[in-house]
Amino acid sequence: RKEVEQDPGPFNVPEGATVAFNCTYSNSASQSFFWYRQDCRKEPKLLMSVYSSGNEDGRFTAQLNRASQYISLLIRDSKLSDSATYLCVVNRRNNDMRFGAGTRLTVKP
Amino acid sequence: GAVVSQHPSWVICKSGTSVKIECRSLDFQATTMFWYRQFPKQSLMLMATSNEGSKATYEQGVEKDKFLINHASLTLSTLTVTSAHPEDSSFYICSAPRDSLLQYFGPGTRLLVL
Repeated sequence: RKEVEQDPGPFNVPEGATVAFNCTYSNSASQSFFWYRQDCRKEPKLLMSVYSSGNEDGRFTAQLNRASQYISLLIRDSKLSDSATYLCVVNRRNNDMRFGAGTRLTVKP
Repeated sequence: GAVVSQHPSWVICKSGTSVKIECRSLDFQATTMFWYRQFPKQSLMLMATSNEGSKATYEQGVEKDKFLINHASLTLSTLTVTSAHPEDSSFYICSAPRDSLLQYFGPGTRLLVL
């Protein structure tokens, strides 16, 4: 079993749709959690950190449930520019980061 | 702007040659840097942790004699793929932590071994 598992996707949604991605992690000692975005043939870029209290950044909302070892990302009012692969990232310790396989999102006109 | 750079961005080489990839932190010092590899349609896989002034720590299954890492200064780590073969063709990405937990990634290096 992989340490970080994500919905494989792909998700194909129309503009304006709301889409949710899920992620689970197996190492209960994990310390911090992130969502990264990776465009085709580019490096990952930080989208947002994920906190237990939940956090929102514009159209993006991230949630963390430590008890269930579950992380989510909600994107509202999808834009064409949101099309990318979204990586769930778990930091075990000392910047030892583990990546999920990524969920591919395509937003269509 | 970019905070971590990589060079070169593209490499095409013949089988058996060695390829060196540089990773630089641009306006901060990084005692630790990380090297990842990503095959098409797969996630990033951590290869090794580069430690300034000491030996790199390799992940299980990564050959340290094949992938030589040198972290000679607080802003530079290099990855050398020795005697590269077609199966080493991949996207190599480095990262460095700037703040306590945030990683910044280099733009990556695409290696194609013919």
